[in-house]
Amino acid sequence: EVQLVESGGGLVQPGGSLRLSCEASGFTFSTYWMSWVRQAPGKGLEWVANIKEDGSEKYYVDSVKGRFTISRDNAKNSLYLQMNSLRAEDTAVYHCARDRGVVALFDPWGQGTLVTVSS
Amino acid sequence: DIVMTQSPDSLAVSLGERATINCKSSQSVLYSSNNKNYLAWYQQKPGQPPKLLIYWASTRESGVPDRFTGSESGTEFALTISSLQAEDVAVYYCQQYYRTPPTFGGGTKVEIK
Repeated sequence: EVQLVESGGGLVQPGGSLRLSCEASGFTFSTYWMSWVRQAPGKGLEWVANIKEDGSEKYYVDSVKGRFTISRDNAKNSLYLQMNSLRAEDTAVYHCARDRGVVALFDPWGQGTLVTVSS
Repeated sequence: DIVMTQSPDSLAVSLGERATINCKSSQSVLYSSNNKNYLAWYQQKPGQPPKLLIYWASTRESGVPDRFTGSESGTEFALTISSLQAEDVAVYYCQQYYRTPPTFGGGTKVEIK
């Protein structure tokens, strides 16, 4: 069974940092693009970033460029999101998701980890 | 960025009745080389992550009941639930994957009347 399990969320002060992790199982992780998608409380979905199978290409939504870094460790079947200079508007549940082929079709999604940015 | 606009924000439909959700893209998401619309629909039930229902605007994901149908007309798309079941209560999102960044509609909440 394909599974994605996120961890690393929590309460952080504005300007602080947090590193999210996503552990993948049930599929050959190294052959898929992967994404982070977030959902603010009671709000809709916003794609954050994605990364190519070998980590050689990375893309970000404009609002996080220069602050967030996506990475992966294929040996550990893990995806990461390093978040720096956090703002209140970054408060959300962060889901990792597997991309389908070379297109940003997200299937499946992890349950998500909640990041709260507040003083 | 391509803006996806969904309507209505919410709708209440009686069990067994039809529910239709609309989605409009701010620009074409049709790739001329393969004549496919890069448009997907997701279902998010309370407390769960989103689940892919339909892609290429009208291709049903494996295991998705055939009461779910996606349709297209230019830059306007629709998701129709032909006979609403209790388990279909959810928020539905459209998403374009034609151009980076992939963008979602604001969501439509479907409830039982």
